[in-house]
Amino acid sequence: SQQGEEDPQALSIQEGENATMNCSYKTSINNLQWYRQNSGRGLVHLILIRSNEREKHSGRLRVTLDTSKKSSSLLITASRAADTASYFCATDAWNFNKFYFGSGTKLNVKP
Amino acid sequence: EAQVTQNPRYLITVTGKKLTVTCSQNMNHEYMSWYRQDPGLGLRQIYYSMNVEVTDKGDVPEGYKVSRKEKRNFPLILESPSPNQTSLYFCASSLGQVSYEQYFGPGTRLTVT
Repeated sequence: SQQGEEDPQALSIQEGENATMNCSYKTSINNLQWYRQNSGRGLVHLILIRSNEREKHSGRLRVTLDTSKKSSSLLITASRAADTASYFCATDAWNFNKFYFGSGTKLNVKP
Repeated sequence: EAQVTQNPRYLITVTGKKLTVTCSQNMNHEYMSWYRQDPGLGLRQIYYSMNVEVTDKGDVPEGYKVSRKEKRNFPLILESPSPNQTSLYFCASSLGQVSYEQYFGPGTRLTVT
């Protein structure tokens, strides 16, 4: 069973707009991570937020975590065409040695 | 340059013909992992290894084997590939298993006919 589920599955916006994608998970976690994947290539780590943190920033990225709702959101501000990619959340779940990825949000930023 | 390498990048094979996909990292990472990616299903963990000689099953281990004889290498073995193993495979490594980012290889696209 999948631990993380992203929403929406696809998102299309204009350059300069903000993009928000959400992730829900099922069990307790130690941390939640977000990754980006460009068209069939390897994933690239974006940001990690620990279960005792509520918000984290990195450049144009803002991640929030609500452990009571078992959900996280990734906000990309002032999006660029180069942000076009698929975004995945990943959790370590109850078994701390395993990682679980969601099915991803496909973001298209139109120039 | 710190990286995870996989070989081959593309492979077309026939049902039942044993194959190995190699994975190597040069970052002295302890944790290594294999994933498969299928449309609509995201990435699913096949096997992982917390250190040399320590491996364990992920979510979808059936039909796969791994070994970790050296810290840097973590090959994925398909003893008798079947068409349902056609997929995009990724190897990843990290310093530790829980609170560290994973570094991914470029992927291996496998087609089993």
